[in-house]
Amino acid sequence: DGGITQSPKYLFRKEGQNVTLSCEQNLNHDAMYWYRQDPGQGLRLIYYSQIVNDFQKGDIAEGYSVSREKKESFPLTVTSAQKNPTAFYLCASADRGNNSPLHFGNGTRLTVT
Amino acid sequence: GENVEQHPSTLSVQEGDSAVIKCTYSDSASNYFPWYKQELGKGPQLIIDIRSNVGEKKDQRIAVTLNKTAKHFSLHITETQPEDSAVYFCAASYSSASKIIFGSGTRLSIRP
Repeated sequence: DGGITQSPKYLFRKEGQNVTLSCEQNLNHDAMYWYRQDPGQGLRLIYYSQIVNDFQKGDIAEGYSVSREKKESFPLTVTSAQKNPTAFYLCASADRGNNSPLHFGNGTRLTVT
Repeated sequence: GENVEQHPSTLSVQEGDSAVIKCTYSDSASNYFPWYKQELGKGPQLIIDIRSNVGEKKDQRIAVTLNKTAKHFSLHITETQPEDSAVYFCAASYSSASKIIFGSGTRLSIRP
């Protein structure tokens, strides 16, 4: 089955530590995205990548970093500079064409204490 | 900046009745309007989408309508069932997913 796998499902970290969230897709999609979801809010775009070795900042990129060394993988690092890192993080992928629908993973819930 | 407003934030309907969720968008350049359903502990899944060259689209019990002049679009679910209980997100975009703006979501509960 094709899809997007995010791991782990739950992640706990102490304040001041960097943490990396994994996202892998086997849909052969060129574009991949990271969103943050907070209670009662829509999804906010953190970073996106439309091709290997290239990525762009989204609306709330501060305190996050990404890499795109392989088409299938788009890991997100939440750094200690992110002031409010506790949230539900969603990875998505899409074909590169105009208005291609997003395919989401099942998310990682990060708790920082 | 661009904005998508979604109402209501919560909705409770009797099983078998219809549910309607409404969204408005601010960017007149938007030409693609997807709807996503998110079940507890999972990622959103696309359930239906509409492009700006049509006014209505239907898929079994789900339909979406679009009024470009008023910049409104709505999701209609008929004959609701318990498995329809979830959070629904509307969105609007033009050209690419990096330009997509999501509404704040509607938590739909189906009463037995």
